Amino acid sequence: DQQVKQNSPSLSVQEGRISILNCDYTNSMFDYFLWYKKYPAEGPTFLISISSIKDKNEDGRFTVFLNKSAKHLSLHIVPSQPGDSAVYFCAASARSFGNEKLTFGTGTRLTIIP
Amino acid sequence: GAVVSQHPSWVICKSGTSVKIECRSLDFQATTMFWYRQFPKQSLMLMATSNEGSKATYEQGVEKDKFLINHASLTLSTLTVTSAHPEDSSFYICSARDSGRSTDTQYFGPGTRLTVL
Repeated sequence: DQQVKQNSPSLSVQEGRISILNCDYTNSMFDYFLWYKKYPAEGPTFLISISSIKDKNEDGRFTVFLNKSAKHLSLHIVPSQPGDSAVYFCAASARSFGNEKLTFGTGTRLTIIP
Repeated sequence: GAVVSQHPSWVICKSGTSVKIECRSLDFQATTMFWYRQFPKQSLMLMATSNEGSKATYEQGVEKDKFLINHASLTLSTLTVTSAHPEDSSFYICSARDSGRSTDTQYFGPGTRLTVL
């Protein structure tokens, strides 16, 4: 039962353009969402998070959008840079319900084309 | 800030031996740490939640007697894979939540690659 889904296993984007990574979830108790970036043989690096009381959070080149009614969130990276090439995981937790465990999506491999 | 280290970064052992992996929060205190494993081209799967001073909480299907977790201080949790077998070969990653912050953000270690021969 995959509660957090990233339906695109891979994505290629031209350098300088916008990268949009998508994530869907099924558990309505999830109220806190995070995006992590991961290189092979390394631990995930935290990028940005959003609480369910917001619909947008921005940090530099990274913006996360949350659509609660659709149970969908997306990560926008603009402009995309070669160093952004990595696997991106979205994760969710049911924080208000006292559950701090993160449930991860399956990841999307982003390749930035120079 | 929010740096988590793991040691060792990789280990090769013989089948039947035990391997201990350390996870440390370097610049913050963590009452809660988490242990994950990742198989090639798959997502991170939570194995257990490690609580300082108390027993770990294991996810369904994870053998607590095989994967021993000890969280003896606010900055250190250890995972011991006992009587390791080739199917235990995997990438093990720990994470820690900063006890001093209200956020649920988990900060991850660099991971440990375990290969059991």
